Amino acid sequence: QKEVEQNSGPLSVPEGAIASLNCTYSDRGSQSFFWYRQYSGKSPELIMSIYSYGDKEDGRFTAQLNKASQYVSLLIRDSQPSDSATYLCAAYRDGQNFVFGPGTRLSVLP
Amino acid sequence: GAGVSQSPRYKVAKRGQDVALRCDPISGHVSLFWYQQALGQGPEFLTYFQNEAQLDKSGLPSDRFFAERPEGSVSTLKIQRTQQEDSAVYLCASSFLSGGFSNEQFFGPGTRLTVL
Repeated sequence: QKEVEQNSGPLSVPEGAIASLNCTYSDRGSQSFFWYRQYSGKSPELIMSIYSYGDKEDGRFTAQLNKASQYVSLLIRDSQPSDSATYLCAAYRDGQNFVFGPGTRLSVLP
Repeated sequence: GAGVSQSPRYKVAKRGQDVALRCDPISGHVSLFWYQQALGQGPEFLTYFQNEAQLDKSGLPSDRFFAERPEGSVSTLKIQRTQQEDSAVYLCASSFLSGGFSNEQFFGPGTRLTVL
């Protein structure tokens, strides 16, 4: 069983809409969570990290963490075609490895 | 350099050949990670260094895989007697901190290995 689960998609949203990406994790001891964006053929690029329960906002991106439900999400407001990529969720626990999910492919339609 | 660099960017090997993949982390970064990413999948952890010490190699798929970071900066991932199932992108990442929950990683461009 994968420790970090994501819907593989593709998730298609129209330009200007809100894209909602979800991630669940199985290790209750996970302390920090990361969202990476990966364009096809490129390496992962860090978008946001979140450690505390609640929301964290950075520009058009909002990360949400619910430790009780073991759930992390990423909202992208005013989605642009350039946001089309695979979004990887990763969980980290001190003393353990980073564990990545399989990624969700997002397609923003002009 | 400004970011993590890896070389070569592409490597084609015949089955049974040995390969060596290099990673140059961001200067001053303590931690270095190697990942294997198959097409359509997320990165899978291979091994982790803190300075020159290899603290975790639990993700290495077989004893054909070996990694080192002798001076605590550049790292090399070596794969002996390559097999077709080794074909993947090998990603290197580094982070400034040696641990702690705020351990953000920065990835290199990867080496795409194709074993024929």
